[in-house]
Amino acid sequence: SAVISQKPSRDICQRGTSLTIQCQVDSQVTMMFWYRQQPGQSLTLIATANQGSEATYESGFVIDKFPISRPNLTFSTLTVSNMSPEDSSIYLCSVEYAEQFFGPGTRLTVL
Amino acid sequence: AQTVTQSQPEMSVQEAETVTLSCTYDTSESNYYLFWYKQPPSRQMILVIRQEAYKQQNATENRFSVNFQKAAKSFSLKISDSQLGDTAMYFCAFMKPGAQKLVFGQGTRLTINP
Repeated sequence: SAVISQKPSRDICQRGTSLTIQCQVDSQVTMMFWYRQQPGQSLTLIATANQGSEATYESGFVIDKFPISRPNLTFSTLTVSNMSPEDSSIYLCSVEYAEQFFGPGTRLTVL
Repeated sequence: AQTVTQSQPEMSVQEAETVTLSCTYDTSESNYYLFWYKQPPSRQMILVIRQEAYKQQNATENRFSVNFQKAAKSFSLKISDSQLGDTAMYFCAFMKPGAQKLVFGQGTRLTINP
């Protein structure tokens, strides 16, 4: 199995600011995924991050708003830029390691 | 594009009862994977059960089993002898082989009452 940690677990931010979320996994994995879960909603994939290449974004998500880094095989960051209240969500990272494992999520509230 | 539909936003049963959660999906693929995930209040997504579309036999994990009807594109989850710890959001999800990304349904909030 893979154990995933995320930092921070929650944060409250002011509109217009940016927040970087970290995801650390205890095994080397090729692909890491970032999902958004808006309040009371399901999970939507934001992007797929491969080590050594640019992330691949899903329709409706752009790099300027959600820049992603993937410096090595165990770590990734997602930045939520120029935040607005509509960005208030839980952000989860996941990895494929025989099955898909999810991190505990970061609960972001934007005022 | 694939879509996953869960038509039951909320369900509630008594402890020890059996409950079935519904899921339908739409795809033109012949081979794929289907999953049920559980998300308790702690937010941690936990894989409950998975089914490969090429396998006719329904997957089973202890008290959890699925009814996979490929022609009908239906994938329901049955929880037997329900326990208080089963209280959670349950998400049905679809994945194409090689894609590694999941498409989720809207979720069903299941409450097990004592």
